[in-house]
Amino acid sequence: DAGVIQSPRHEVTEMGQEVTLRCKPISGHNSLFWYRQTMMRGLELLIYFNNNVPIDDSGMPEDRFSAKMPNASFSTLKIQPSEPRDSAVYFCASSFSMGAGTEAFFGQGTRLTVV
Amino acid sequence: SQQGEEDPQALSIQEGENATMNCSYKTSINNLQWYRQNSGRGLVHLILIRSNEREKHSGRLRVTLDTSKKSSSLLITASRAADTASYFCATERDSNYQLIWGAGTKLIIKP
Repeated sequence: DAGVIQSPRHEVTEMGQEVTLRCKPISGHNSLFWYRQTMMRGLELLIYFNNNVPIDDSGMPEDRFSAKMPNASFSTLKIQPSEPRDSAVYFCASSFSMGAGTEAFFGQGTRLTVV
Repeated sequence: SQQGEEDPQALSIQEGENATMNCSYKTSINNLQWYRQNSGRGLVHLILIRSNEREKHSGRLRVTLDTSKKSSSLLITASRAADTASYFCATERDSNYQLIWGAGTKLIIKP
């Protein structure tokens, strides 16, 4: 398996534009996580899906952020409209959650810059 | 929210020395995991220790867990330049399947 695949790797956009980040989890994994990482705030969990269903979205900063998982092999994180403070590295991770001991596999991340 | 807190925040040592990083957490856990993040890359899982285990080894890595003190340590022996990275601890709580992350320790190995 190629691991968790994220696209794009880098995104530069203007304030107010819509941004869509994409993630393909590892085949067979049933949990998917979106994280945001900044120097100031570290690694923050934005949303967690289990079997394609959002379980916990309490980390989503505000209504400008939305995430979907239409099937087991694809998820998107959308920011509309984007703001400069959204600049960060966004990671997608997947895991196979079956009891305790859930190792997470991370993608390479999308570095988002909003100017 | 962050449960784990690593210390030190940054550590710089000579190649060949041992590096020790610590992690403290606040609530009861199922397991604790350590991850490494190289600059500009995603996190990579290193080792998992369950709440009923006290020590675990994997190659040059040694992890201890003290549930009474709610703390863990990661020891890297005979460090190499390639060990330069940030190291994060993450805890998995009961029946939750979510990982709660610390802020990380930035480790620099000087050749």
